[in-house]
Amino acid sequence: SQTIHQWPATLVQPVGSPLSLECTVEGTSNPNLYWYRQAAGRGLQLLFYSVGIGQISSEVPQNLSASRPQDRQFILSSKKLLLSDSGFYLCAWSATRNQPQHFGDGTRLSIL
Amino acid sequence: AQKITQTQPGMFVQEKEAVTLDCTYDTSDQSYGLFWYKQPSSGEMIFLIYQGSYDEQNATEGRYSLNFQKARKSANLVISASQLGDSAMYFCAMREPYGGSQGNLIFGKGTKLSVKP
Repeated sequence: SQTIHQWPATLVQPVGSPLSLECTVEGTSNPNLYWYRQAAGRGLQLLFYSVGIGQISSEVPQNLSASRPQDRQFILSSKKLLLSDSGFYLCAWSATRNQPQHFGDGTRLSIL
Repeated sequence: AQKITQTQPGMFVQEKEAVTLDCTYDTSDQSYGLFWYKQPSSGEMIFLIYQGSYDEQNATEGRYSLNFQKARKSANLVISASQLGDSAMYFCAMREPYGGSQGNLIFGKGTKLSVKP
């Protein structure tokens, strides 16, 4: 069966520091991969999605970036974090665009 | 532009009773998909149920059913025989159509369901 792993579970970072969140999927090939952010008490906002290695599409302008160095690995990065980057970050995968998305456990990011 | 509206910020239901969580959507596309997700306090998003716009029958998954009224553009989630473990945030989402992003979901703001013993 397919599983998705996301780490770390929680992260506290100072303003201006770099960021790297990792997400990996097991048990499937060539999944669609997604990064979402959820502000406190709000719904999810799509940040990036990828349909294949090296293929990244950005949905909102921001100081974050994403990379997909391997088929089942999706990384969310930043060179310099802002206070507004605080939130709950969720990685998700789907087999095709029509299939449901399945989410990782999320990373709670706090910027001090 | 597509939009998802969940008008109930919070709902209470007595254990073992049924509850309906409202969701309306706005789209001019003929082909779309509707999803419901559950988010417990621990944070993970759990897929519950899916309804395609061309599906003639309402989707059901165990105690979850989706009351799909296409003309009214509503996709309400019905949870039967509520359990204490059903207490969580519930999000309605719509898949963007072709020509846009690859299956990206647009989420509503959610409804917090609290099940009372």
